[in-house]
Amino acid sequence: DGGITQSPKYLFRKEGQNVTLSCEQNLNHDAMYWYRQDPGQGLRLIYYSQIVNDFQKGDIAEGYSVSREKKESFPLTVTSAQKNPTAFYLCASGVGTEAFFGQGTRLTVV
Amino acid sequence: AQKVTQAQTEISVVEKEDVTLDCVYETRDTTYYLFWYKQPPSGELVFLIRRNSFDEQNEISGRYSWNFQKSTSSFNFTITASQVVDSAVYFCALSPTSARQLTFGSGTQLTVLP
Repeated sequence: DGGITQSPKYLFRKEGQNVTLSCEQNLNHDAMYWYRQDPGQGLRLIYYSQIVNDFQKGDIAEGYSVSREKKESFPLTVTSAQKNPTAFYLCASGVGTEAFFGQGTRLTVV
Repeated sequence: AQKVTQAQTEISVVEKEDVTLDCVYETRDTTYYLFWYKQPPSGELVFLIRRNSFDEQNEISGRYSWNFQKSTSSFNFTITASQVVDSAVYFCALSPTSARQLTFGSGTQLTVLP
């Protein structure tokens, strides 16, 4: 089936540890995005990539890093520099101006 | 800068009632796209509609309808004869036509009671 796969669905980490969230798509989209969602808030853009080996910071990039070595994959690393990492993370890919979203990863840092 | 405001944080209705979700936006772009997404409890965002700023015609899709008024910068969403399965968080979003990044509102939690 075509779509966007995020794994894992739930992730627990100790404070101070880096953690990488996976996002894979088989829709052949050039553009991919990472959003963060906090309770009662909308989605905020962390990073986006329009093409392989290129990516741009979004509105809240501090404490995060990404890579785009393959068209299908856009992993997000939440570093220890991110002050409030506990959140719901959504990955998306797009064509034109339409974005298709994965099912999200809920990260809890204890 | 772009901004999307969904002033209704939570709405509760009884099944079969009609309900309207409000969305007001701000942008300096002359051309842009507006979107509505549904987020069920499972978490993924489900695309509902995209509207180009040039097209102010209202749209109806089954029980869903959208009212776009450029003069008031609003893009409201109405569900007719609501059902329990409509319970979800609904997001309004905005994107300039020159870019693909979406700016989201804070969402409206709709609860439809049986």
